[in-house]
Amino acid sequence: QLQLQESGPGLVKPSETLSLTCTVSGGSVSSSNYYWAWIRQPPGKGLEWIGTIYYSGSTYYYPSLKSRVTISLDTSKNRFSLKLNFVTAADTAVYYCARHGDYYDNSAYYDYWGQGTLVTVSS
Amino acid sequence: EKVMTQSPATLSVSPGERATLSCRASQSVSSLLAWYQQKPGQAPRLLIYGASTRATGVPARFSGSGSGTEFTLTISSLQSEDFAVYYCQQYNNFPLTFGGGTKVEI
Repeated sequence: QLQLQESGPGLVKPSETLSLTCTVSGGSVSSSNYYWAWIRQPPGKGLEWIGTIYYSGSTYYYPSLKSRVTISLDTSKNRFSLKLNFVTAADTAVYYCARHGDYYDNSAYYDYWGQGTLVTVSS
Repeated sequence: EKVMTQSPATLSVSPGERATLSCRASQSVSSLLAWYQQKPGQAPRLLIYGASTRATGVPARFSGSGSGTEFTLTISSLQSEDFAVYYCQQYNNFPLTFGGGTKVEI
């Protein structure tokens, strides 16, 4: 059974960098069949896709966040990471990592999710 | 960006009743639409993909329909465990986008 687990600081100061890691077990981030994504949900609000990475290293980012986001893959540790620069209070959210299928095969829906981790931006 | 709009924002129903949730896309997404259920404090759970295909383990009371720009999620007879927020998501194009959600409450 595939499992994803987010980890990282729960509190980040404004203007600093939010860094999270998603560790995958029961499956491989090196699989060519799947993509690995970050999604966030501000308190009491809806879901927002942040970006996605493929095993090849190709990345896709939400346009409004693209200038501040980097998603990377560590195949040796079977995990992927999110960095979001210059955070503000508006970046306070529960951050989820998730898996989705091949975008080019019309299967980019999220079938597995991590439990989520709350990141608060505050001084 | 394809904007997904869900209605209503809140749906008040009683157990055993039928619930119909709508999702509209600003442009056609073909049948590349998924539905998710989210309960408080939990991650979303995939219910439907391909607009109408139930995910593994999803009860038959959940059904999806539609294509193009108009989609519907129907819960035929609401059970107590179905009270939650439901999101649609298009995967026809990047950026992958979600609707704002419909809260199904008693």
